[in-house]
Amino acid sequence: DTAVSQTPKYLVTQMGNDKSIKCEQNLGHDTMYWYKQDSKKFLKIMFSYNNKELIINETVPNRFSPKSPDKAHLNLHINSLELGDSAVYFCASSQDLPSGTLQADTQYFGPGTRLTVL
Amino acid sequence: AQSVTQPDIHITVSEGASLELRCNYSYGATPYLFWYVQSPGQGLQLLLKYFSGDTLVQGIKGFEAEFKRSQSSFNLRKPSVHWSDAAEYFCAVAPPVTGGYNKLIFGAGTRLAVHP
Repeated sequence: DTAVSQTPKYLVTQMGNDKSIKCEQNLGHDTMYWYKQDSKKFLKIMFSYNNKELIINETVPNRFSPKSPDKAHLNLHINSLELGDSAVYFCASSQDLPSGTLQADTQYFGPGTRLTVL
Repeated sequence: AQSVTQPDIHITVSEGASLELRCNYSYGATPYLFWYVQSPGQGLQLLLKYFSGDTLVQGIKGFEAEFKRSQSSFNLRKPSVHWSDAAEYFCAVAPPVTGGYNKLIFGAGTRLAVHP
């Protein structure tokens, strides 16, 4: 059973197009994330949603719009794609820790979507 | 600002040799600390994490890491490397929270190659 799945795995498109990447988790987690991994393997968080509410938005161009129809899904829509958007995009999810818990959660990552903009 | 430094971009070891991957962080307080592994073409998998208590943390696949507050380090170790350990290793930090979620900040990664 795939815990965090993403579709598509590969996406090749032309500059200026609009595309979406989908993410689903079957772990019952409350929080989902989108990360971007650039060509140098550097990973940076883009967005996070908790129970369908946006909680992290890290200085990402507004061409990127995340949408969470329910807490098991977090999709990423990208308008007017640019060459610099080429990267691997990872979705992740984690279970909220009880309030007052001093603990580190575990984020579970999907397999990634390799986006190539030509 | 919070940051994570992995000084070694690329490390090559022989199968059966010991391994140590370095990680240093910059943060006002002691953050939560993580090591993730990314196999080629795969997502990231958590190896181990530290948030309090014993400074030597055991993880999966025979890995361990030691938190050293005085050196702001969280180095990953394995006594005997297997060819299947060849992958990209990421150190990450997150500000300590009491409940909720952790916002991860990743280092640049260390690529491990294993010679037979």
